[in-house]
Amino acid sequence: AQSVTQLDSQVPVFEEAPVELRCNYSSSVSVYLFWYVQYPNQGLQLLLKYLSGSTLVKGINGFEAEFNKSQTSFHLRKPSVHISDTAEYFCAVSEWGNTNAGKSTFGDGTTLTVKP
Amino acid sequence: DGGITQSPKYLFRKEGQNVTLSCEQNLNHDAMYWYRQDPGQGLRLIYYSQIVNDFQKGDIAEGYSVSREKKESFPLTVTSAQKNPTAFYLCASKGSQETQYFGPGTRLLVL
Repeated sequence: AQSVTQLDSQVPVFEEAPVELRCNYSSSVSVYLFWYVQYPNQGLQLLLKYLSGSTLVKGINGFEAEFNKSQTSFHLRKPSVHISDTAEYFCAVSEWGNTNAGKSTFGDGTTLTVKP
Repeated sequence: DGGITQSPKYLFRKEGQNVTLSCEQNLNHDAMYWYRQDPGQGLRLIYYSQIVNDFQKGDIAEGYSVSREKKESFPLTVTSAQKNPTAFYLCASKGSQETQYFGPGTRLLVL
């Protein structure tokens, strides 16, 4: 069975500072990995995803993430955050193949708060 | 524009009442999902459907029911058996490369 752990429930950071949101996963097979963002009272939007190939993936709004198979991690980074990046961020994993009927498992979320 | 719509945005339920949340997509996706979101608990899967006329229970299906009579529609009914229904409900469909596309959500409140 697959699982996801987001290591920080809340991350406060000042505007223009770098940020890293940490995500570890567990699975017995190969996986797809995702980061989604949720603004207050809205649905989730895809930030970026790792399917295969290059371990460094770039997404929207200047975010990037690095897949580390040996450490089973998929941390999200941004070199300089803006006030508008304040939101909830979710890491998700989906196993290859049809064993889990296409279901994704989501972490509990990390609240990023950017302060002026 | 293609996407997922959910209605209503807010829904109020009285004790002992069944209520139905609407989810419609025009993305031509086969698979659709219902999640419940509570503060600090992330997303929990209620029901999912991989194809029309077929659906399976997720992790927290008790007190909920669904139907999938059309590809575009996947309504969720919160029954009176669900004793703690207050939450934010999200519908999603799955496109290529396992990516899920989410609706704007429905917030259910109990009167």
